[in-house]
Amino acid sequence: GENVEQHPSTLSVQEGDSAVIKCTYSDSASNYFPWYKQELGKRPQLIIDIRSNVGEKKDQRIAVTLNKTAKHFSLHITETQPEDSAVYFCQGMTTDSWGKLQFGAGTQVVVTP
Amino acid sequence: SQTIHQWPATLVQPVGSPLSLECTVEGTSNPNLYWYRQAAGRGLQLLFYSIGIDQISSEVPQNLSASRPQDRQFILSSKKLLLSDSGFYLCAWSGGGPDTEAFFGQGTRLTVV
Repeated sequence: GENVEQHPSTLSVQEGDSAVIKCTYSDSASNYFPWYKQELGKRPQLIIDIRSNVGEKKDQRIAVTLNKTAKHFSLHITETQPEDSAVYFCQGMTTDSWGKLQFGAGTQVVVTP
Repeated sequence: SQTIHQWPATLVQPVGSPLSLECTVEGTSNPNLYWYRQAAGRGLQLLFYSIGIDQISSEVPQNLSASRPQDRQFILSSKKLLLSDSGFYLCAWSGGGPDTEAFFGQGTRLTVV
């Protein structure tokens, strides 16, 4: 199966600084690594993803990096803004026959002005 | 395009009353379906997931049950609610392949009083 460990559980950053969240996974066969953002009272939504054939992907102020050797992938948010305050989840998947999705425990990001 | 509908958005129920939350998916066939519960400020606790009609796996022992009467319909039920059943319930679907993201419903805020 797949265990997805996410750190840190909370992250407080000053506006304009960078935030980094890291997830580690156990299954070397994993090929897809998405990140979700959940604003207060809302549903989680995909913000960026990466596949195993690339090491980094950027979309404006957010980026995801993948280290397949070390089995971890990270979400990077640069020039943080108050609207970046949310809970962020990484996703993994078990390799059982049902392909169940699993999520990291989540990181509460608080951007202070 | 695919859409997911979950209702109701909010619900206040007395202890001991029954529960029925419904989730439907449009625009896709044979989706993997999931029910998650989220306590305030916490992670996504997987309750049930299903890869097909009458193929449902229960992840956590509890007084909740799930049914999938149709391919794109997933129902979460309880015969008698407990105070501890309060939380934010999220339905989600995925394509079921190894490289797939999750799409979440709007969520149901359940308060048991």
